[in-house]
Amino acid sequence: NFVLTQPHSVSESPGKTVTISCTRSSGSIASNYVQWYQQRPGSAPTTVIYEHNQRPSGVPDRFSGSIDTSSNSASLTISGVNTEDEADYCCQSYDTNNHVVFGGGTKLTVL
Amino acid sequence: QVQLVQSGAEVKKPGASVKVSCKASGYTFTSYYIHWVRQAPGQGLEWMGIIRPSGGSPNYAQRFQGRVTMTSDTSTSTVYMELRTLRSDDTAVYYCARAERVYNWGQGTLVTVSS
Repeated sequence: NFVLTQPHSVSESPGKTVTISCTRSSGSIASNYVQWYQQRPGSAPTTVIYEHNQRPSGVPDRFSGSIDTSSNSASLTISGVNTEDEADYCCQSYDTNNHVVFGGGTKLTVL
Repeated sequence: QVQLVQSGAEVKKPGASVKVSCKASGYTFTSYYIHWVRQAPGQGLEWMGIIRPSGGSPNYAQRFQGRVTMTSDTSTSTVYMELRTLRSDDTAVYYCARAERVYNWGQGTLVTVSS
């Protein structure tokens, strides 16, 4: 099985762009869709990106997702970050048995 | 609209069992798989398994094999997750989530295991 590795925390100033990475330890990042979830304290996760780079309705276009096969990683980019974006962000994919694999989560702080 | 409503918080002693329910509404219950995911305090999300409400064998994460049972009741559009032989490190919020391109999540159920 593989592991999805995320930085424990990232921080950025309001109005800037922040990128959170999610690196897959084995197997191609492109072989299974990657989703990204936002989770605020005391709340259930919500999807901000699905199928690598698709944005659900209602999610601002400041949020974007991508994959990079050269680094075998997925990225979540938030442009024009603001204090409302402060939350935990978690990537998720699937293994060959269609079991769900989560990354460890990244805490975003907007300074 | 799609809703998953979970049962209320539980406090259990070590060695006991807990059964969490997840009642679905707003869509055809048998058409979508349901995942169970848990989150220990201050920790990340952990996948426990998946069940097809229309029938068939659930698929469990290896670390829960033998200790978890997921079932469904189509008459009430409810899925259940039972975890047995509870330990203190099973203290967590347990979520159900509808497996769609964009997941729909229940509100979570806090299970506290303490003597």
